[in-house]
Amino acid sequence: DAKTTQPPSMDCAEGRAANLPCNHSTISGNEYVYWYRQIHSQGPQYIIHGLKNNETNEMASLIITEDRKSSTLILPHATLRDTAVYYCIVLRLGNEKLTFGTGTRLTIIP
Amino acid sequence: DTEVTQTPKHLVMGMTNKKSLKCEQHMGHRAMYWYKQKAKKPPELMFVYSYEKLSINESVPSRFSPECPNSSLLNLHLHALQPEDSALYLCASSQQGQYNEKLFFGSGTQLSVL
Repeated sequence: DAKTTQPPSMDCAEGRAANLPCNHSTISGNEYVYWYRQIHSQGPQYIIHGLKNNETNEMASLIITEDRKSSTLILPHATLRDTAVYYCIVLRLGNEKLTFGTGTRLTIIP
Repeated sequence: DTEVTQTPKHLVMGMTNKKSLKCEQHMGHRAMYWYKQKAKKPPELMFVYSYEKLSINESVPSRFSPECPNSSLLNLHLHALQPEDSALYLCASSQQGQYNEKLFFGSGTQLSVL
């Protein structure tokens, strides 16, 4: 599966949109982009995933560039509870080996 | 019920002890996973069970022995561990066969080996 690159840390003001970037320039056509987050002392939590179209759910939006080499996770109105490590993962459909990179530590500032 | 339950939440054991970690899910998921997470590091995959059969072993030392007695239960048997095995052990499950293979994680067992 393709490797991903994320900034190690980001800050965002409470109530603002948090935009978390991810580069995956070697992504293949059958690989999906997944986002998980891990709040301190908890297990990782699935957020969203997509192939090439933009996706939105109750937690976040995922914007994938047309060439699929990068994506952005958007938390529209960040709250203090969104402080967590966010992992961007590229995964081929049906691959059981979900592998975490180092992620982005997002801190929401009051 | 969208929960993965792990017990115990905390475990302290000596290097000569034998202990087991337990994981349970009632979502009808057919794939179950063990991950190990050291402090300030990402989770690392250890084992994957698919339809109650071990499908992936990421070259884990034999002092860790997984077991999947049925589709709802996953155990990790521990024996003769080393202090460097102290970590958070996470269990996860997924509904294998679906196009969106999202994993549901438990809160983990924090293991300390003395």
